[in-house]
Amino acid sequence: EDKVVQSPLSLVVHEGDTVTLNCSYEVTNFRSLLWYKQEKKAPTFLFMLTSSGIEKKSGRLSSILDKKELFSILNITATQTGDSAIYLCAVNAGGTSYGKLTFGQGTILTVHP
Amino acid sequence: SAVISQKPSRDICQRGTSLTIQCQVDSQVTMMFWYRQQPGQSLTLIATANQGSEATYESGFVIDKFPISRPNLTFSTLTVSNMSPEDSSIYLCSVVLSAGTANSNQPQHFGDGTRLSIL
Repeated sequence: EDKVVQSPLSLVVHEGDTVTLNCSYEVTNFRSLLWYKQEKKAPTFLFMLTSSGIEKKSGRLSSILDKKELFSILNITATQTGDSAIYLCAVNAGGTSYGKLTFGQGTILTVHP
Repeated sequence: SAVISQKPSRDICQRGTSLTIQCQVDSQVTMMFWYRQQPGQSLTLIATANQGSEATYESGFVIDKFPISRPNLTFSTLTVSNMSPEDSSIYLCSVVLSAGTANSNQPQHFGDGTRLSIL
């Protein structure tokens, strides 16, 4: 059975701190790993990673994948209160290029002023 | 990017009743999916909505409980039938915007979700 595990499950920091969120996976047919930010209800797409060692970056957020060790990290630098959300990691392990996503439990990030 | 709209945004229903959730996209999309997020849990795929044919359900989900329609490339519905309190969840549709090349990966994008509470 495909499995995605995120850590920590929750994290409380102050504005300006840097955080690292972890995602490890065990799947039979890896195609890609995705990160989402969920505020209220809708997950918002952040990154999709398919190749090891290539960092994806968007503003203060960055992510990298290690396909040998089967994990990914999401870094957020200079955190702001608006970064408070649930961060979800998901792996596409379906039979097609846009198949089933298996999600981790999520990391609840709280950023205090 | 596309605008993915879900209706209703939230609802409170009586047990034993059924509710149909709509997902409308402002452009034609390749794939549409329905997910459930139970309180405090992560997202679980219910089914893939196939255009013009029966949906493909994941283990633990059946058509009688969660009938799905997808009459065209921009619209799908999910019905939660004979609801019980255990069905209280956020229901989300997601789409893949384009097929890309045969071997390319495309991310899924999510609608705003429907928060459903059953009394």
